[in-house]
Amino acid sequence: NAGVTQTPKFQVLKTGQSMTLQCAQDMNHNSMYWYRQDPGMGLRLIYYSASEGTTDKGEVPNGYNVSRLNKREFSLRLESAAPSQTSVYFCASRAIAGANTDTQYFGPGTRLTVL
Amino acid sequence: QKEVEQNSGPLSVPEGAIASLNCTYSDRGSQSFFWYRQYSGKSPELIMSIYSNGDKEDGRFTAQLNKASQYVSLLIRDSQPSDSATYLCATKGANNLFFGTGTRLTVIP
Repeated sequence: NAGVTQTPKFQVLKTGQSMTLQCAQDMNHNSMYWYRQDPGMGLRLIYYSASEGTTDKGEVPNGYNVSRLNKREFSLRLESAAPSQTSVYFCASRAIAGANTDTQYFGPGTRLTVL
Repeated sequence: QKEVEQNSGPLSVPEGAIASLNCTYSDRGSQSFFWYRQYSGKSPELIMSIYSNGDKEDGRFTAQLNKASQYVSLLIRDSQPSDSATYLCATKGANNLFFGTGTRLTVIP
């Protein structure tokens, strides 16, 4: 049981390049989230998916797209990376039934640098 | 106004002392509150949740909630060097969590 996994762990991009951050969870959770964490800004929600087949914008969605590929996987895509997207990206998941429905479980993060 | 405000610190306490971390929130309708711990270079992990006014204890950790004053705090008793981390306060929104910027705690041996 790996929990929430993210790939890659580190990435360096040049301005204008594209890439997809991958996230998968094996806890059979319905809800999944993408956050970015910047110094002094805390964790900010980019997009979330309440259930398979649905996605919604969070606080800072501009410059990103997401895909809820299936119940396990939720990917984040940067179509044209900008230096302002340099950040640490965390994926999280949450159960919506049973115990601990308020607990979000976080992946290890992806450290992205855009030059 | 941010949903959740925290003193960014840093906060330093000697080993064995009580560390007190504070958080205020703006939405008077908030019902659920959480404390996450984040070690440097790692992801956040939930350590406490609290939903009712008053205190909730779990081992060395005590969460305190005062809805009238819109603040929530975390007390760490008998602080250990392993408690050195950033502590994030969060409240539950309609579909996600709103996080504060975190308070960095250092426990000095």
